[in-house]
Amino acid sequence: QVQLQESGPGLVKPSQTLSLTCTVSGGSISSGAYYWSWIRQYPGKGLEWVGHIYYSGSTYYNPSTYYNPSLQSRLSISGDTSRNQLSLSLSSVTAADTAVYYCARGRLLERRFPSPLYYFDYWGQGTLVTVS
Amino acid sequence: EIVMTQSPATLSVSPGERATLSCRASQSVSHNLAWYQQKAGQAPRLLIYGASTRATGIPARFSGSGSGTEFTLTISSLQSEDFAVYYCQQYNNWYTFGQGTRLEIK
Repeated sequence: QVQLQESGPGLVKPSQTLSLTCTVSGGSISSGAYYWSWIRQYPGKGLEWVGHIYYSGSTYYNPSTYYNPSLQSRLSISGDTSRNQLSLSLSSVTAADTAVYYCARGRLLERRFPSPLYYFDYWGQGTLVTVS
Repeated sequence: EIVMTQSPATLSVSPGERATLSCRASQSVSHNLAWYQQKAGQAPRLLIYGASTRATGIPARFSGSGSGTEFTLTISSLQSEDFAVYYCQQYNNWYTFGQGTRLEIK
């Protein structure tokens, strides 16, 4: 059974950097069958895709990433295959970044460029990050 | 960006009755649409993908239909555990979610 678990500080000060980790068990993040995403949910319940990272056989040491254009200048997503973890780093945060952050597995249907076709089949429980 | 619009915002239905939830895309997403259920304090749970394919372990009372810009999630006979918030999400052109429909007990 695949499980994802987010971790990180629940409170971040404005202008600082938000850093979260997602630990994956029951499956390898370096499997070419899945994309690994971060998604956030605002207090008003809206959901926003943040970005993803993808490992394939040809990109094992150089995974591909893509970020929501609205966050691209502040966002970095990375992975640690030895620990089976993915990480999110969001700089210069404001109160507007307050949300529950989820990591989720994207089950790949088609590696279409630039937007691969996948849906989210497993989610972590989420972690609330408050910027204040 | 493709905007997903769900209606109604809140739906009140009695247990045992049928619930019909709608989702509209601002442009065609083909069949590349998923539905999720979210209960309070929990992560979203995948119900439907490909507009009409039930995910593993999802009861047959959940069904999805539609293509292009108009989609429907139907719950044929509501059980107590079905009262939750439901989201649609397109994955045809990046990934965007609807604002959700809250399904409440009438």
